[in-house]
Amino acid sequence: ELKVEQNPLFLSMQEGKNYTIYCNYSTTSDRLYWYRQDPGKSLESLFVLLSNGAVKQEGRLMASLDTKARLSTLHITAAVHDLSATYFCAVDYTGNQFYFGTGTSLTVIP
Amino acid sequence: DTEVTQTPKHLVMGMTNKKSLKCEQHMGHRAMYWYKQKAKKPPELMFVYSYEKLSINESVPSRFSPECPNSSLLNLHLHALQPEDSALYLCASSQRGIAGGEQYFGPGTRLTVT
Repeated sequence: ELKVEQNPLFLSMQEGKNYTIYCNYSTTSDRLYWYRQDPGKSLESLFVLLSNGAVKQEGRLMASLDTKARLSTLHITAAVHDLSATYFCAVDYTGNQFYFGTGTSLTVIP
Repeated sequence: DTEVTQTPKHLVMGMTNKKSLKCEQHMGHRAMYWYKQKAKKPPELMFVYSYEKLSINESVPSRFSPECPNSSLLNLHLHALQPEDSALYLCASSQRGIAGGEQYFGPGTRLTVT
Protein backbone atom coordinates (compact mmCIF):
# COMPACT_ATOMS: atom_id res chain seq x y z
CA GLU A 1 0.00 0.00 0.00
CA LEU A 2 1.30 3.42 -0.95
CA LYS A 3 1.76 5.72 2.01
CA VAL A 4 2.79 9.35 2.32
CA GLU A 5 3.31 10.52 5.85
CA GLN A 6 4.06 13.96 7.16
CA ASN A 7 5.27 15.05 10.52
CA PRO A 8 4.47 16.82 12.55
CA LEU A 9 0.71 16.89 11.98
CA PHE A 10 0.40 20.07 13.99
CA LEU A 11 3.06 22.70 14.48
CA SER A 12 2.85 25.82 16.59
CA MET A 13 5.89 28.03 16.36
CA GLN A 14 6.90 31.51 17.35
CA GLU A 15 7.60 34.22 14.85
CA GLY A 16 11.25 34.40 13.94
CA LYS A 17 11.95 30.73 14.62
CA ASN A 18 13.05 28.04 12.18
CA TYR A 19 11.47 24.63 11.72
CA THR A 20 11.30 21.71 9.30
CA ILE A 21 8.34 19.67 8.10
CA TYR A 22 9.08 16.13 6.92
CA CYS A 23 7.39 14.11 4.21
CA ASN A 24 8.18 10.37 3.99
CA TYR A 25 6.83 8.13 1.27
CA SER A 26 6.81 4.38 0.89
CA THR A 27 7.53 3.73 -2.80
CA THR A 28 10.22 5.10 -5.08
CA SER A 29 9.33 8.28 -6.92
CA ASP A 30 11.30 11.26 -8.16
CA ARG A 31 8.35 13.63 -8.42
CA LEU A 32 7.20 15.41 -5.32
CA TYR A 33 5.10 18.54 -4.85
CA TRP A 34 4.38 20.86 -1.96
CA TYR A 35 1.08 22.71 -1.62
CA ARG A 36 -0.27 25.26 0.79
CA GLN A 37 -3.92 25.47 1.82
CA ASP A 38 -5.48 28.32 3.77
CA PRO A 39 -8.67 27.58 5.75
CA GLY A 40 -11.66 27.16 3.46
CA LYS A 41 -9.53 27.72 0.36
CA SER A 42 -8.07 25.63 -2.40
CA LEU A 43 -4.53 24.30 -2.79
CA GLU A 44 -1.76 26.62 -3.92
CA SER A 45 1.32 25.12 -5.52
CA LEU A 46 4.56 25.95 -3.70
CA PHE A 47 7.30 23.72 -5.07
CA VAL A 48 7.86 21.09 -7.75
CA LEU A 49 10.76 18.73 -7.06
CA LEU A 50 11.68 16.43 -9.94
CA SER A 51 14.99 14.78 -9.13
CA ASN A 52 17.14 13.47 -6.35
CA GLY A 53 18.88 16.34 -4.60
CA ALA A 54 16.49 18.97 -5.94
CA VAL A 55 16.30 22.08 -3.79
CA LYS A 56 13.91 24.96 -4.34
CA GLN A 57 13.56 28.17 -2.35
CA GLU A 58 10.91 30.86 -2.29
CA GLY A 59 11.04 33.52 0.38
CA ARG A 60 11.16 31.94 3.81
CA LEU A 61 10.42 28.43 2.51
CA MET A 62 12.90 25.92 1.14
CA ALA A 63 12.05 22.42 -0.08
CA SER A 64 14.37 19.52 -0.81
CA LEU A 65 14.06 15.98 -2.09
CA ASP A 66 16.11 12.88 -1.28
CA THR A 67 14.70 10.08 -3.43
CA LYS A 68 17.01 7.45 -1.98
CA ALA A 69 15.74 8.13 1.52
CA ARG A 70 12.21 8.69 0.14
CA LEU A 71 12.13 11.93 2.07
CA SER A 72 11.29 15.53 1.33
CA THR A 73 11.65 18.44 3.72
CA LEU A 74 10.03 21.84 3.86
CA HIS A 75 12.18 24.21 5.89
CA ILE A 76 10.76 27.42 7.33
CA THR A 77 13.17 30.20 8.13
CA ALA A 78 12.29 33.06 10.49
CA ALA A 79 8.59 32.29 10.48
CA VAL A 80 6.01 35.05 10.11
CA HIS A 81 2.28 34.97 10.80
CA ASP A 82 1.43 34.93 7.08
CA LEU A 83 2.89 31.43 6.83
CA SER A 84 0.11 30.02 9.02
CA ALA A 85 -1.67 27.43 6.84
CA THR A 86 -1.84 23.70 6.20
CA TYR A 87 0.98 22.29 4.09
CA PHE A 88 0.64 19.12 2.04
CA CYS A 89 3.24 17.14 0.19
CA ALA A 90 2.09 15.01 -2.74
CA VAL A 91 3.95 12.19 -4.47
CA ASP A 92 3.36 11.29 -8.09
CA TYR A 93 3.94 7.56 -8.61
CA THR A 94 2.25 6.88 -11.91
CA GLY A 95 2.58 9.98 -14.02
CA ASN A 96 -0.57 11.81 -13.07
CA GLN A 97 -1.93 10.35 -9.87
CA PHE A 98 -1.04 12.24 -6.74
CA TYR A 99 -0.90 10.68 -3.32
CA PHE A 100 -1.20 13.38 -0.70
CA GLY A 101 0.49 13.39 2.65
CA THR A 102 -1.47 13.71 5.85
CA GLY A 103 -0.88 17.47 6.01
CA THR A 104 0.84 19.70 8.56
CA SER A 105 -1.21 22.45 10.17
CA LEU A 106 1.14 25.32 10.94
CA THR A 107 0.32 28.15 13.32
CA VAL A 108 2.81 30.97 13.73
CA ILE A 109 2.40 32.82 17.01
CA PRO A 110 3.48 36.46 17.41
CA ASP B 1 -4.17 31.77 -18.30
CA THR B 2 -3.21 29.42 -15.46
CA GLU B 3 -6.61 29.31 -13.87
CA VAL B 4 -9.00 26.50 -13.13
CA THR B 5 -12.52 27.74 -12.47
CA GLN B 6 -15.30 25.94 -10.64
CA THR B 7 -18.98 26.68 -10.27
CA PRO B 8 -20.87 27.01 -8.08
CA LYS B 9 -18.77 28.13 -5.11
CA HIS B 10 -21.34 26.85 -2.65
CA LEU B 11 -24.14 24.33 -3.05
CA VAL B 12 -26.77 23.13 -0.62
CA MET B 13 -28.87 20.21 -1.76
CA GLY B 14 -31.32 17.74 -0.34
CA MET B 15 -30.82 14.02 -0.53
CA THR B 16 -33.35 13.67 -3.36
CA ASN B 17 -31.96 16.46 -5.53
CA LYS B 18 -29.92 16.24 -8.69
CA LYS B 19 -27.23 18.84 -9.21
CA SER B 20 -23.98 19.26 -11.14
CA LEU B 21 -20.60 20.76 -10.43
CA LYS B 22 -18.68 22.34 -13.25
CA CYS B 23 -14.95 22.80 -13.83
CA GLU B 24 -13.20 24.59 -16.67
CA GLN B 25 -9.58 25.19 -17.69
CA HIS B 26 -8.02 26.79 -20.75
CA MET B 27 -4.40 25.80 -20.26
CA GLY B 28 -4.49 23.03 -22.83
CA HIS B 29 -4.16 20.40 -20.12
CA ARG B 30 -5.30 16.93 -21.13
CA ALA B 31 -5.68 15.46 -17.63
CA MET B 32 -8.42 16.58 -15.26
CA TYR B 33 -9.30 15.40 -11.78
CA TRP B 34 -12.01 15.45 -9.16
CA TYR B 35 -11.05 15.35 -5.50
CA LYS B 36 -13.13 15.29 -2.35
CA GLN B 37 -11.76 16.94 0.77
CA LYS B 38 -13.20 16.70 4.24
CA ALA B 39 -12.24 19.21 6.92
CA LYS B 40 -8.66 18.89 8.18
CA LYS B 41 -7.95 15.97 5.82
CA PRO B 42 -5.93 15.69 2.61
CA PRO B 43 -7.75 15.66 -0.73
CA GLU B 44 -8.99 12.22 -1.79
CA LEU B 45 -8.84 11.40 -5.46
CA MET B 46 -12.21 10.48 -6.99
CA PHE B 47 -11.78 10.45 -10.77
CA VAL B 48 -9.11 11.09 -13.38
CA TYR B 49 -9.81 11.92 -17.01
CA SER B 50 -7.04 11.63 -19.54
CA TYR B 51 -7.67 12.87 -23.08
CA GLU B 52 -11.37 13.10 -22.23
CA LYS B 53 -11.54 9.44 -21.22
CA LEU B 54 -12.08 8.20 -17.70
CA SER B 55 -8.84 6.56 -16.66
CA ILE B 56 -9.19 6.25 -12.90
CA ASN B 57 -12.26 5.76 -10.73
CA GLU B 58 -11.29 5.34 -7.14
CA SER B 59 -14.26 3.15 -6.21
CA VAL B 60 -16.54 6.14 -5.96
CA PRO B 61 -20.26 5.45 -5.31
CA SER B 62 -22.48 5.65 -8.36
CA ARG B 63 -24.34 8.65 -6.94
CA PHE B 64 -21.34 10.60 -8.25
CA SER B 65 -21.17 10.59 -12.04
CA PRO B 66 -18.35 12.36 -13.87
CA GLU B 67 -18.48 13.67 -17.39
CA CYS B 68 -15.86 15.23 -19.64
CA PRO B 69 -17.67 16.86 -22.60
CA ASN B 70 -14.44 18.26 -24.09
CA SER B 71 -10.82 18.87 -23.19
CA SER B 72 -11.60 22.06 -21.26
CA LEU B 73 -14.65 21.00 -19.27
CA LEU B 74 -15.26 18.54 -16.48
CA ASN B 75 -18.59 17.98 -14.78
CA LEU B 76 -19.59 16.03 -11.70
CA HIS B 77 -23.25 15.02 -11.60
CA LEU B 78 -24.70 14.44 -8.17
CA HIS B 79 -27.79 12.40 -7.35
CA ALA B 80 -29.26 11.00 -4.15
CA LEU B 81 -26.34 12.12 -2.04
CA GLN B 82 -25.94 11.41 1.66
CA PRO B 83 -25.08 13.89 4.42
CA GLU B 84 -21.62 12.35 4.69
CA ASP B 85 -20.97 13.52 1.13
CA SER B 86 -20.81 17.08 2.42
CA ALA B 87 -17.28 18.29 1.67
CA LEU B 88 -15.14 20.58 -0.46
CA TYR B 89 -14.97 19.27 -4.02
CA LEU B 90 -11.85 20.27 -5.87
CA CYS B 91 -11.12 20.09 -9.56
CA ALA B 92 -7.57 20.05 -10.89
CA SER B 93 -5.82 19.81 -14.23
CA SER B 94 -2.34 18.97 -15.45
CA GLN B 95 -0.30 18.27 -18.54
CA ARG B 96 -0.72 14.62 -19.40
CA GLY B 97 2.28 12.35 -19.50
CA ILE B 98 4.86 15.05 -18.94
CA ALA B 99 7.33 14.76 -16.10
CA GLY B 100 6.68 17.51 -13.66
CA GLY B 101 2.96 17.31 -14.20
CA GLU B 102 2.07 19.82 -11.57
CA GLN B 103 -1.63 19.85 -10.81
CA TYR B 104 -3.43 23.20 -10.79
CA PHE B 105 -6.41 23.34 -8.48
CA GLY B 106 -9.62 25.25 -8.80
CA PRO B 107 -11.15 27.17 -5.88
CA GLY B 108 -13.50 24.33 -5.04
CA THR B 109 -17.22 23.89 -4.47
CA ARG B 110 -18.37 23.69 -0.88
CA LEU B 111 -21.19 21.12 -0.88
CA THR B 112 -23.66 20.66 1.94
CA VAL B 113 -26.15 17.80 1.78
CA THR B 114 -29.18 18.20 4.03
